[in-house]
Amino acid sequence: TQLLEQSPQFLSIQEGENLTVYCNSSSVFSSLQWYRQEPGEGPVLLVTVVTGGEVKKLKRLTFQFGDARKDSSLHITAAQPGDTGLYLCAGGEGKLTFGTGTRLTIIP
Amino acid sequence: GAVVSQHPSRVICKSGTSVKIECRSLDFQATTMFWYRQFPKQSLMLMATSNEGSKATYEQGVEKDKFLINHASLTLSTLTVTSAHPEDSSFYICSAARGDYEQYFGPGTRLTVT
Repeated sequence: TQLLEQSPQFLSIQEGENLTVYCNSSSVFSSLQWYRQEPGEGPVLLVTVVTGGEVKKLKRLTFQFGDARKDSSLHITAAQPGDTGLYLCAGGEGKLTFGTGTRLTIIP
Repeated sequence: GAVVSQHPSRVICKSGTSVKIECRSLDFQATTMFWYRQFPKQSLMLMATSNEGSKATYEQGVEKDKFLINHASLTLSTLTVTSAHPEDSSFYICSAARGDYEQYFGPGTRLTVT
């Protein structure tokens, strides 16, 4: 069974600060996706990474896929209240395995 | 991104009744759709994989006779919770697969069984 552990589980920081969320596994994944979910809504796809060592940027968000394709990170620069939400990593082809989730709160 | 809709968004039903939830892929054809369940403050738990024109594949521990899935077309999958009980109350989310890696999620259905 492939497991994805995210850390931290909860994170509450002030607006303007930087943060990094981690997604780790002992298994190799062909790809990893990052999603953000707001309360009462479905997850929204942010990015897909498929190549070991790949770095993708989405405005203030930077995503990295580990060289061994077992881990990924999400870095947010100058966090804003609109970044608040549940961040989920997910991996696999077809059937996705979801990470344990990181609940991020940005305090104005 | 792609658009996936779910209906209804919220439903309250009495114990023992059945509830049908629809999941539609609005702007692409999805051979495969997935149904998830999410408990408060937790991540998504895959319930089943819905394949157009064939039987759904259920995850271990998910009762196929209780959670009936039908994928009648490339844009519609339905989940029917039969003889619902309070413990079935949850947030149910569907997704539609596009390509090898990406899934696009519906907005979810909040089911409350009284």
